[in-house]
Amino acid sequence: DGGITQSPKYLFRKEGQNVTLSCEQNLNHDAMYWYRQDPGQGLRLIYYSQIVNDFQKGDIAEGYSVSREKKESFPLTVTSAQKNPTAFYLCASSIYQGKAKNIQYFGAGTRLSVL
Amino acid sequence: EDQVTQSPEALRLQEGESSSLNCSYTVSGLRGLFWYRQDPGKGPEFLFTLYSAGEEKEKERLKATLTKKESFLHITAPKPEDSATYLCAFLSGGYNKLIFGAGTRLAVHP
Repeated sequence: DGGITQSPKYLFRKEGQNVTLSCEQNLNHDAMYWYRQDPGQGLRLIYYSQIVNDFQKGDIAEGYSVSREKKESFPLTVTSAQKNPTAFYLCASSIYQGKAKNIQYFGAGTRLSVL
Repeated sequence: EDQVTQSPEALRLQEGESSSLNCSYTVSGLRGLFWYRQDPGKGPEFLFTLYSAGEEKEKERLKATLTKKESFLHITAPKPEDSATYLCAFLSGGYNKLIFGAGTRLAVHP
């Protein structure tokens, strides 16, 4: 089945620790995105990548880092500099040609909590 | 500043009681309006995309419409399985950036 796989489903971070969230897609999509969702708020864009080896900051990139070494993979690292990391993290992907390029498809999410 | 507002925040319906969810937006040059459904603890599921005022799309009990200032998601004769949070979003900027509203939590009771 084609889709977007996020792991782990739940993650706990200790103070001062960096943690990495995994996102893999087998949809052959060019673009990938990371969003953060907090209760009562809309999804907010952290980072996005349109092609391999290239990525740009979104609206709330501080305290986060990403890499895009393969088309299928877009891992997100939550660094110790992110002081309020508790949230639901969502990865998405889309193709990048024609009007269908605008439709983003989402993974099941990773819930990150601070110990 | 581009922004989107969804109302109501929460809606409780009896099974079969039709209603509408609203998504109003202010954006310089709309390039697409999107509706997603999100179940608790899961990622959003794509429902519809609308590109121009007057456009309508339907899927089972759901119908999305678009004007120059807002979009509606009409739910006809809802069932309990329609209970979810419905998110709207629009495209902003030169890249494929979605601006999301906070969502409407819909609960349909038997």
